[in-house]
Amino acid sequence: KNQVEQSPQSLIILEGKNCTLQCNYTVSPFSNLRWYKQDTGRGPVSLTIMTFSENTKSNGRYTATLDADTKQSSLHITASQLSDSASYICVVSDRGSTLGRLYFGRGTQLTVWP
Amino acid sequence: EADIYQTPRYLVIGTGKKITLECSQTMGHDKMYWYQQDPGMELHLIHYSYGVNSTEKGDLSSESTVSRIRTEHFPLTLESARPSHTSQYLCASSETLAGQGDNEQFFGPGTRLTVL
Repeated sequence: KNQVEQSPQSLIILEGKNCTLQCNYTVSPFSNLRWYKQDTGRGPVSLTIMTFSENTKSNGRYTATLDADTKQSSLHITASQLSDSASYICVVSDRGSTLGRLYFGRGTQLTVWP
Repeated sequence: EADIYQTPRYLVIGTGKKITLECSQTMGHDKMYWYQQDPGMELHLIHYSYGVNSTEKGDLSSESTVSRIRTEHFPLTLESARPSHTSQYLCASSETLAGQGDNEQFFGPGTRLTVL
């Protein structure tokens, strides 16, 4: 069964600190992995996309890593800001369907305190 | 920011009412999707469309129906709402590029539905 598991479920950090969110998946065949940011009451917005051959990708203060062998990904946030408070969702796409079927994790709820 | 819109943003209705959730995109995307999301849970695909006059049911069984008469418009209808339909409904769209099965899905802001 294709699954995406995220940890931790929730996280509270102080402004300016770094944090790392984890994602483990069993989706096969693998096409790509995206990290989305979802603000409260809004739709998810893509932060990064990683394909099988990519190990690291950065988008400003966000850096995603991918280990396709162990089927793990992480999202590292540097120098957190209050606006980083949101749910971060790991989304994996399989290569087996023309629809581009997405498998969603439940997200990590990040709260940044001043 | 993605040009995909949903209305209403919030809706509180009584049991048995018929409702339509609107979704429109101005990006010319051929594929559109409806997801259901409960607090702390993952998004579940309930309907999708490859293009005009194409609609399919998703992974999660839903009593709602959809239509795709125009490329830019993908409304979702509940004929008789029940409290179990209370949830957040997210619409998304993506384009098909030659040789690529998957492209980024752009999400609307969502409709928070509460059925009393």
